[in-house]
Amino acid sequence: DGGITQSPKYLFRKEGQNVTLSCEQNLNHDAMYWYRQDPGQGLRLIYYSQIVNDFQKGDIAEGYSVSREKKESFPLTVTSAQKNPTAFYLCASSIAGGRRQPQHFGDGTRLSIL
Amino acid sequence: AQKVTQAQTEISVVEKEDVTLDCVYETRDTTYYLFWYKQPPSGELVFLIRRNSFDEQNEISGRYSWNFQKSTSSFNFTITASQVVDSAVYFCALSEEGAAGNKLTFGGGTRVLVKP
Repeated sequence: DGGITQSPKYLFRKEGQNVTLSCEQNLNHDAMYWYRQDPGQGLRLIYYSQIVNDFQKGDIAEGYSVSREKKESFPLTVTSAQKNPTAFYLCASSIAGGRRQPQHFGDGTRLSIL
Repeated sequence: AQKVTQAQTEISVVEKEDVTLDCVYETRDTTYYLFWYKQPPSGELVFLIRRNSFDEQNEISGRYSWNFQKSTSSFNFTITASQVVDSAVYFCALSEEGAAGNKLTFGGGTRVLVKP
């Protein structure tokens, strides 16, 4: 079945450590996105990519990095510079075509500090 | 700047009651799109509906209906005859105009709890 796969489901980070969250989609979507969700709050955009080898910062990009080497993959690295990384991270993708296209989401990765 | 407000943080109803979720938005765009998503306990967001700013027709899909009123910048969502499976967090979102593609601004979400 087509969809978005995020792994791992749960991730723990030690102080000073970088961790990478995986996001893979087989929907043949051009655009991919990373969001952060804090308890009781809405989603905030971290990074997005409209095409391979290109990506843009969202509203809260500090302390995060991404790459887009393949159409189907958009990994997110939470660096040690992100001082409050505990959150639920959601990856999404959409057909290219701008604002009218709905985004489709993965099941999320829950990141906690050890 | 765009903003989406969902004033109700949590609504609790008994099964078969109707429940209406409010969404108010702010934008300077003349063309924009509004979305509703459902987030069940499993975590993923499920797309429910998209509405563009030029179409103010109300929409009904089964037990779900949406009321879009441009004059009051509102896009409210009603679940009729609620069921336990409707228990979830519901998000309203607004798309942003720009050359770099589809950026969504989300409201804070409304948690709906349907009790049997």
